[in-house]
Amino acid sequence: SQQGEEDPQALSIQEGENATMNCSYKTSINNLQWYRQNSGRGLVHLILIRSNEREKHSGRLRVTLDTSKKSSSLLITASRAADTASYFCATDRQGGKLIFGQGTELSVKP
Amino acid sequence: EAQVTQNPRYLITVTGKKLTVTCSQNMNHEYMSWYRQDPGLGLRQIYYSMNVEVTDKGDVPEGYKVSRKEKRNFPLILESPSPNQTSLYFCASRSNTGSSEAFFGQGTRLTVV
Repeated sequence: SQQGEEDPQALSIQEGENATMNCSYKTSINNLQWYRQNSGRGLVHLILIRSNEREKHSGRLRVTLDTSKKSSSLLITASRAADTASYFCATDRQGGKLIFGQGTELSVKP
Repeated sequence: EAQVTQNPRYLITVTGKKLTVTCSQNMNHEYMSWYRQDPGLGLRQIYYSMNVEVTDKGDVPEGYKVSRKEKRNFPLILESPSPNQTSLYFCASRSNTGSSEAFFGQGTRLTVV
């Protein structure tokens, strides 16, 4: 069964605005990862946050993790048209299984 | 260059004709996995392998087989494909040591008619 559930399913914003995507999960995790997928292409790893971390930054990306609420958020600041893609959270469980959610489709309009 | 290579990229086949999608990685990763991606359903895991000769079912294993005879290769076998296996397939690999990211292949778009 799917572990991560992203919200919203689709998001449309203007260039320069911030984009926030959320992910909820059900069971305990070792870490949570975010990936990006350009249309029909393979997924590319963006950022990993461990279960004992609360916040992590990488360039224009900011990820938070709340293990008590079993949720994570991905913030992309000052978005660009090139950020248009699907974004997936993936939960890394005991035993090494990486389970993906359904993804958020982000559209950034110039 | 670190990469996961899938072949073929596109495949159209007929119902019942056995096919194999190959996956190879050059990073000496222990863990390899197959996913299928369908609109509105995200990525669903078909099978995964923690190491050579160790494979296990994911969430949607019916109609698929895998093997892991060598560390670098993890082929996906459809013994008797059916139209409901029309999908976009991805192979991924990662290290088993600590927290690690997954590397994905370019995808195989399979159509079964």
